[in-house]
Amino acid sequence: SQQGEEDPQALSIQEGENATMNCSYKTSINNLQWYRQNSGRGLVHLILIRSNEREKHSGRLRVTLDTSKKSSSLLITASRAADTASYFCATDAVDYKLSFGAGTTVTVRA
Amino acid sequence: DAMVIQNPRYQVTQFGKPVTLSCSQTLNHNVMYWYQQKSSQAPKLLFHYYDKDFNNEADTPDNFQSRRPNTSFCFLDIRSPGLGDAAMYLCATSGQGGTPAFFGQGTRLTVV
Repeated sequence: SQQGEEDPQALSIQEGENATMNCSYKTSINNLQWYRQNSGRGLVHLILIRSNEREKHSGRLRVTLDTSKKSSSLLITASRAADTASYFCATDAVDYKLSFGAGTTVTVRA
Repeated sequence: DAMVIQNPRYQVTQFGKPVTLSCSQTLNHNVMYWYQQKSSQAPKLLFHYYDKDFNNEADTPDNFQSRRPNTSFCFLDIRSPGLGDAAMYLCATSGQGGTPAFFGQGTRLTVV
């Protein structure tokens, strides 16, 4: 069963703009992770935020986590055409179970 | 340097004919996962292992089985594939203690 919901389902932005997507989940977690998937390929890990962290940065990525609201957001700044992909949040809960949310499809227009 | 390798990349099987998908890893990770992903959907967890400890998701059909003979290899067996089992099957691994998962490129299964 899927753990989380993501919104929006799809996002279309101009190159250079920022993209923000949100993830909500239902149960307690050890950490929350974000992954990118290009069409027809495997998933690539982007960033992991632990349950005791509130914000984390990696290059053009910024992730926030609010455990009281059971939600997280991913911000991609200064987007590029190569950022076109689907983005998934995943929750790492008990017993090493890694469950994915529904995903956001991001299209960056040149 | 491929770290999680899935074979084959594409598999065509006949309706009802057993099929096995394989996954190998060079990372020596304790945890291995199998996911099913249908078009435009999220990966759906089928099974995961911590070493030899097997965890089956409650809603994984009985038609799906898995084997992990050693740390490096994991197999997904579909005993009687139906048309609804056509999907991308993803294998992933992670170390213990909340570390990122590494995914293979997936096996796209077609059922004819």
